[in-house]
Amino acid sequence: DAGVIQSPRHEVTEMGQEVTLRCKLISGHNSLFWYRQTMMRGLELLIYFNNNVPIDDSGMPEDRFSAKMPNASFSTLKIQPSEPRDSAVYFCASSLAGQGPYEQYFGPGTRLTVT
Amino acid sequence: SQQGEEDPQALSIQEGENATMNCSYKTSINNLQWYRQNSGRGLVHLILIRSNEREKHSGRLRVTLDTSKKSSSLLITASRAADTASYFCATMMDSNYQLIWGAGTKLIIKP
Repeated sequence: DAGVIQSPRHEVTEMGQEVTLRCKLISGHNSLFWYRQTMMRGLELLIYFNNNVPIDDSGMPEDRFSAKMPNASFSTLKIQPSEPRDSAVYFCASSLAGQGPYEQYFGPGTRLTVT
Repeated sequence: SQQGEEDPQALSIQEGENATMNCSYKTSINNLQWYRQNSGRGLVHLILIRSNEREKHSGRLRVTLDTSKKSSSLLITASRAADTASYFCATMMDSNYQLIWGAGTKLIIKP
C-alpha cells in the first residue's frame, strides 16, 4: 500500500483565494483525521470522520473551512476565502477504528502559504 | 485542546547515550501512543501502550505508563543520529477514537 496520499505537497496562494487540499486514505481504513500544525499552536485536530460521517468538527476554525468525504477513500479540505493566518502544514491521517489498535497513519502533509 | 505535555521541550545528547522523554496527561485514557516526526515530514507511529499495561518494548524503545500519576515515559537506548526528530505523545480516551496530542519534545543527537 502506498500509504496516505496528500496533494498538493506545497500550495502558495493569495489572500482571498480558495484552497482545496486532498487526501486519499489507506485502503480498508474507515477513519480520517485532518490536522493543522504550526509552530505557535502545535498539532491541532480540525475534523474527524468515521465511515464517511463527520464525528467531530469542533476544531474547524470557522465557516471558511469545510471538509468532505465523497467516498470511503477520499477527502477534501477547503478553505474559502483563505487568509494569511491559515498558513500552516495540513496533515491528514487515517486509521482502522473499531478494531484496534488505533494507531494513525499520516500523510506527508501539505504546506500552505497564504500571502 | 492539548492534553499531553511533553518534558523536556528540547533535548540534545551525544550519539550512543540514552534519551528519555516524559509525557503527562489529564484525563482517564484507553491508550497512549508515541509518534516521531522528522523535519518536514508526517508523523510516524512508534508504539502504543494500553491503560492496563505498565511497560512495553519495541527494539530500542521502551515505554512506561503510570496511570496513577497520569504520566508516561519514552526511553530510546543507544541513540543514533537518525533518531534526531520531534517526539509526540498522544492519548486516546475510551469514548472515541480521537488522539489528544502533546506539544512534542525536540530531540537532537550529536554525532
